[in-house]
Amino acid sequence: EAGVTQFPSHSVIEKGQTVTLRCDPISGHDNLYWYRRVMGKEIKFLLHFVKESKQDESGMPNNRFLAERTGGTYSTLKVQPAELEDSGVYFCASSPGDNGYTFGSGTRLTVV
Amino acid sequence: AQTVTQSQPEMSVQEAETVTLSCTYDTSENNYYLFWYKQPPSRQMILVIRQEAYKQQNATENRFSVNFQKAAKSFSLKISDSQLGDTAMYFCAFMNYGGSQGNLIFGKGTKLSVKP
Repeated sequence: EAGVTQFPSHSVIEKGQTVTLRCDPISGHDNLYWYRRVMGKEIKFLLHFVKESKQDESGMPNNRFLAERTGGTYSTLKVQPAELEDSGVYFCASSPGDNGYTFGSGTRLTVV
Repeated sequence: AQTVTQSQPEMSVQEAETVTLSCTYDTSENNYYLFWYKQPPSRQMILVIRQEAYKQQNATENRFSVNFQKAAKSFSLKISDSQLGDTAMYFCAFMNYGGSQGNLIFGKGTKLSVKP
């Protein structure tokens, strides 16, 4: 079974630019989560999809962040325009609903 | 609000020895889950061990075991017979129980280095 795939693995962009991160969950997993770890701080929850619907987006930092999950399959997280404080590692996880999360390897975003 | 605290930013241990990573948490809930995740360098985060708060028995997975002290809100991870492949960031995490799946609340992590 393929795991959770995230790409790109690394991205370096300039302040003000746009970046889109992608997550492909395990096939059949209805639950998809985005988390972020800013250097030296805790991994923080961003949002939770159940299929294509946003179940909980309470962790989204501001309206520069837009997450979508069209058709309930893969998800994208777009940051527009990117700011320096958006730098960090963005993790995606999926789950069939039994508290068995599977995480991806993360996307390391650096905004310069 | 729930919080998770890992007081050891970095630790090291000699191969084959035992090491304990500490984790405390704060919650007013009675039913919840606790987890230890491991992230090796440049690799994905994987679940090491999970504990349901209603279970008094400490969870064990091979060389990994926990000391769950509910009253003290403590959830330490013991790694026995440490191996080089145990080198990784270890994250303690909390999740509320019940209903649809909730989100995880993580500590800052402990970087563990196993030395030959």
